[in-house]
Amino acid sequence: KAGVTQTPRYLIKTRGQQVTLSCSPISGHRSVSWYQQTPGQGLQFLFEYFSETQRNKGNFPGRFSGRQFSNSRSEMNVSTLELGDSALYLCASSFSGSYETQYFGPGTRLLVL
Amino acid sequence: AQTVTQSQPEMSVQEAETVTLSCTYDTSESDYYLFWYKQPPSRQMILVIRQEAYKQQNATENRFSVNFQKAAKSFSLKISDSQLGDAAMYFCAYRRLSQGAQKLVFGQGTRLTINP
Repeated sequence: KAGVTQTPRYLIKTRGQQVTLSCSPISGHRSVSWYQQTPGQGLQFLFEYFSETQRNKGNFPGRFSGRQFSNSRSEMNVSTLELGDSALYLCASSFSGSYETQYFGPGTRLLVL
Repeated sequence: AQTVTQSQPEMSVQEAETVTLSCTYDTSESDYYLFWYKQPPSRQMILVIRQEAYKQQNATENRFSVNFQKAAKSFSLKISDSQLGDAAMYFCAYRRLSQGAQKLVFGQGTRLTINP
């Protein structure tokens, strides 16, 4: 099976812009979670989608949003970018999300200038 | 709120030797999962090993094994016969065991260097 894929792999934006990141889970997986990784804050949970519904949410401002499509692919959007949004954004998928291990994609590195 | 602590920011070991990475966690839950993930320079997060809290037997995966001490809330990772490819950041992570609970809580990580 192909692994979790994320696009784009690298992105450079300027403050105030918005960005959309994409994640395609492993075939058959219905749960997709997003994490932000920064040197200062480490790995932090953003949100999780299951069957097109947001099921869990971390402590991030409303500028961070996401959605999931019927084919389980997920996108996350960050509006009004700030310098502090520069990070590696990781996506992880699992079959149903409750009792299975999550498998991670390679990440999207976002740089905000 | 659950927290995970890795007290060793960096560790190094000679190739072929054994190294143990430490992890402690805090939770009021009785059922949960614990994980060790490896993140090499490519940044891809790779699952190393997983432990269910209700299992008394320590998990093992080839050269990787854990020492799970539930009462002490300790979950260390032992890497035997260290190889150059083991060099990476290692993250300890916690997750509740309940329907729909997907949030992983990570420690700050331990950077492992393998000396040839």
